[in-house]
Amino acid sequence: DAKTTQPNSMESNEEEPVHLPCNHSTISGTDYIHWYRQLPSQGPEYVIHGLTSNVNNRMASLAIAEDRKSSTLILHRATLRDAAVYYCILRDVGGTSYGKLTFGQGTILTVHP
Amino acid sequence: DTEVTQTPKHLVMGMTNKKSLKCEQHMGHRAMYWYKQKAKKPPELMFVYSYEKLSINESVPSRFSPECPNSSLLNLHLHALQPEDSALYLCASSRTGRNYGYTFGSGTRLTVV
Repeated sequence: DAKTTQPNSMESNEEEPVHLPCNHSTISGTDYIHWYRQLPSQGPEYVIHGLTSNVNNRMASLAIAEDRKSSTLILHRATLRDAAVYYCILRDVGGTSYGKLTFGQGTILTVHP
Repeated sequence: DTEVTQTPKHLVMGMTNKKSLKCEQHMGHRAMYWYKQKAKKPPELMFVYSYEKLSINESVPSRFSPECPNSSLLNLHLHALQPEDSALYLCASSRTGRNYGYTFGSGTRLTVV
């Protein structure tokens, strides 16, 4: 499985934007870039995913480098509820119908009031 | 219904007990997954079911036995577990195909005594 590299931790202030980086230099052409977050004592929550183009949804934006070797999750205005572990994952679909989602260590985001 | 429901939320079992974890979704997802998560670690994939058939077993010990009786239900049967099997067990589901995210349940916190 192609691997991702994320900073162990990041800090932000409430109502400021947060840019969470992810490196995936061995990404293959069939890998989708997924982001999930996990709040304490909860299961992971889907945030966003993309293949080549930048993506926006109600939770966040995903900026994908042109060579696809890195990506950035953007939270436009952090709130205290955004404090979580954020996982950048390459979903390997290949020839299967389901793919595999293999979690790395993730980034612990702390949001200060 | 956009949820994955896991029961029970907490389970304490002895090493000689037999118990089962249950996972249910009504989103029409045909891929379902079991993950195991130890404290302060990322989730680790255990099993993948696609169209009710076991597609991936990540070399999980036979004391864990998955079952997918229908497209909405996924069970994990537990027998003769060890204290080191204590963890959060997460179920997830997804549409098949390349372009979909996973929906996770909130997990079952298992303690083996």
